[in-house]
Amino acid sequence: DTAVSQTPKYLVTQMGNDKSIKCEQNLGHDTMYWYKQDSKKFLKIMFSYNNKELIINETVPNRFSPKSPDKAHLNLHINSLELGDSAVYFCASSGGSGANTGELFFGEGSRLTVL
Amino acid sequence: AQSVTQPDIHITVSEGASLELRCNYSYGATPYLFWYVQSPGQGLQLLLKYFSGDTLVQGIKGFEAEFKRSQSSFNLRKPSVHWSDAAEYFCAVAYSGGGADGLTFGKGTHLIIQP
Repeated sequence: DTAVSQTPKYLVTQMGNDKSIKCEQNLGHDTMYWYKQDSKKFLKIMFSYNNKELIINETVPNRFSPKSPDKAHLNLHINSLELGDSAVYFCASSGGSGANTGELFFGEGSRLTVL
Repeated sequence: AQSVTQPDIHITVSEGASLELRCNYSYGATPYLFWYVQSPGQGLQLLLKYFSGDTLVQGIKGFEAEFKRSQSSFNLRKPSVHWSDAAEYFCAVAYSGGGADGLTFGKGTHLIIQP
């Protein structure tokens, strides 16, 4: 069973388009995140949600909008895609019945290429 | 602000040789520290973590790390590397002892294994 799954794994699109990446976790975690990994492999947090409530919203363009329909899902919608949005986007989750120590469980990533 | 420094961008090691990857953190309180590994085209896998207690922690795949508060370091070690250890390694620290704030990652160290 995949713990954190994200789709699609690869996404190639034209500038100006709108696209979505979906993420689901079956770990029973309360918190979910989106991270962006750039071409130099640097990982930077974009958003975090705790029980469907937005906790962290880093300096990310308004074109990026996360949506959490329930605590097991966190989707990322991107409007008006730009070349600089090309990256690997990772979904992650943490927490559970005990204290949330911050340990993250990652999905396999979604590689977005904007042409 | 919290930060994590991995001073080595690339490290090349011969197969069978020992390995040490450096990590320094800047954080005012007791940190929660992590090492993750990312194989090419894959997500991030947790190698080991330190929360409290014994400062030498054992992880998967034969890795260990030692927390040294006086040096603000959490270096990763392995006595004998295998070709399959070639990957990107990330050190990370949790904000405020965990919670929904996510992890702050270092910029990663790319490990190359020579035959």
